[in-house]
Amino acid sequence: SQTIHQWPATLVQPVGSPLSLECTVEGTSNPNLYWYRQAAGRGLQLLFYSVGIGQISSEVPQNLSASRPQDRQFILSSKKLLLSDSGFYLCAWMAGVEQYFGPGTRLTVT
Amino acid sequence: AQSVTQLDSQVPVFEEAPVELRCNYSSSVSVYLFWYVQYPNQGLQLLLKYLSGSTLVESINGFEAEFNKSQTSFHLRKPSVHISDTAEYFCAVRKPTGFQKLVFGTGTRLLVSP
Repeated sequence: SQTIHQWPATLVQPVGSPLSLECTVEGTSNPNLYWYRQAAGRGLQLLFYSVGIGQISSEVPQNLSASRPQDRQFILSSKKLLLSDSGFYLCAWMAGVEQYFGPGTRLTVT
Repeated sequence: AQSVTQLDSQVPVFEEAPVELRCNYSSSVSVYLFWYVQYPNQGLQLLLKYLSGSTLVESINGFEAEFNKSQTSFHLRKPSVHISDTAEYFCAVRKPTGFQKLVFGTGTRLLVSP
């Protein structure tokens, strides 16, 4: 069966520090992958999606970036975090008509 | 483009009472419809989906949703809620064809109290 992993589970980072969140999927090949952010009291905001290695599409301009160095690996990065980057980050993949989500990373920028 | 509206940000109910969480969508083409549930500090889990066929779809834990094309709605209902149903519920839509991207509503927090 397919599994999606995210790490770390929680992260506290100071403003201006770099960020790297990792997502990996097991049990499938060439999945469509997605990064969402969920800010406190708000819905899900699609940040990036990828249909293959090295192929990244950005939905919202911001100081975040994404990369897909391997088929089942999706990385979310930032060179300098802002307070507004705090939130719950979810990785997801599409299987047929359904989207499945990872457990999420809680990021607090202080 | 598709959009989803969940008018109720929070719905408080007592245990064993019925509940309805509202979802309306906008789309110029036919869509697939989904409800996801999110428990605190967890990812989203698919609760149920409508793709085609019977307009009433059910989940394994007693929730049901009815697709109403004329009203462009996909409301979620449960006849008797439990404390454990306390969670955030998200409605989502996507086009059947083309790139597979879900559009989510802003979510409804269901608070079940004893």
